[in-house]
Order: sequence, then C-alpha cells, then structure tokens
Amino acid sequence: DAGVTQSPTHLIKTRGQQVTLRCSPISGHKSVSWYQQVLGQGPQFIFQYYEKEERGRGNFPDRFSARQFPNYSSELNVNALLLGDSALYLCASSQGHLNEKLFFGSGTQLSVL
Amino acid sequence: RKEVEQDPGPFNVPEGATVAFNCTYSNSASQSFFWYRQDCRKEPKLLMSVYSSGNEDGRFTAQLNRASQYISLLIRDSKLSDSATYLCAVPKTSYDKVIFGPGTSLSVIP
Repeated sequence: DAGVTQSPTHLIKTRGQQVTLRCSPISGHKSVSWYQQVLGQGPQFIFQYYEKEERGRGNFPDRFSARQFPNYSSELNVNALLLGDSALYLCASSQGHLNEKLFFGSGTQLSVL
Repeated sequence: RKEVEQDPGPFNVPEGATVAFNCTYSNSASQSFFWYRQDCRKEPKLLMSVYSSGNEDGRFTAQLNRASQYISLLIRDSKLSDSATYLCAVPKTSYDKVIFGPGTSLSVIP
C-alpha cells in the first residue's frame, strides 16, 4: 500500500505569492493533519481535518487555509507568502479522529525568497 | 509553560551507551503519548506508543509518569544508526490535535 504522498517535494516562491500544497493520505485513513517544521524545531500544528471537516486549528494567521476532499486528500493554501513561511510542510494521516499513530509524508520544502 | 517540552540536547554518546530523554506535558487529560524518530531532512516516523505505564520494544523503553506528567525514552546499547532527533508527541485529548515537542538530538559516536 502506498504511504502518505505529498506534492510538490520542493517549491520556491517569492514574497506575496500564493502556494498550494497537496497531500494524499494512506488508503482507508480519514484524518489529515498539516504541520510546519522550521529547521531545528519540532513540527508545529496547523490544521486537522476529519471526514472533510476542520477539527483543529493551530496558531497560524488567516493566510493559512486548508480543505479536505471527498476522497480524503487535502490541500494547504498559504496566501501572501512571507520570508518566515519558509519551512518543511508535513502532512500526516491517521485512521480516525482519535489521533493515534500519525503517518507522515516526506513533506514539501517551501522556500520563500 | 509550553504544552510539550523536551530535554534540549544535543546528546553525544559512545556506541553501547545507555541514554535517556525526558518529555514533559502540560495537559493532565492527555491519555496517549508517542515517541517519533526523525532523521535529518526526513519525515518523523513512529518509534513507540505509550498508553499506560510504559512500553518496551527491544533496546527501547518508554515510561510514563502521570503524576509528574512526563514520559521518558531509554535507549540501551546505542548504535550508530540511533543517531537522529527524537520527538515527543502528545494529543491534547483523544479527539484533538497532536502537539510535538521541540525534539532532542542524539549523536552516537564510534
């Protein structure tokens, strides 16, 4: 079975641009979470979706938004990019909303110039 | 106080040594706890789950102290391949977001 897949793997944008990151969970998993990880720090929670509904939101500005589709895949959108948005964006899936074991994709490395 | 805190590290230990990391959490309602391993520039991967007092898997032992709200990870007979960052993860509740600590870096040296 395929694991969690994320696209693109790398992305370079300039300040003020918008970006969309994509994630496909493990087959059968209904929950998707997004994390931002800056080098040297732990992953910071951005959003969690379960059954296409937002179940949790971290301390990120409204420039960050996400959605989950009927096939449980998800997109993370970031508008008006800032230099500080440069980070590794990780998607994690789990079987249900019980937030047990998280399975991570390999991430999207976003660089904002 | 941060929701999840970890020993800052880095830990540099010789092969064969025993090393332990601690993780403290602030939410007394948390019921499950996890240790993830993250290699440089890779995604975190689940190492161990802890639901009751502790868990053991080969050279790795995780222990939970609910009264003091901390979990520990013990690695015995360290291998070079154990070099990584170890992340502590705590769901706020069974239905809530999973909070990660900042990680503890381990380097096992020959």
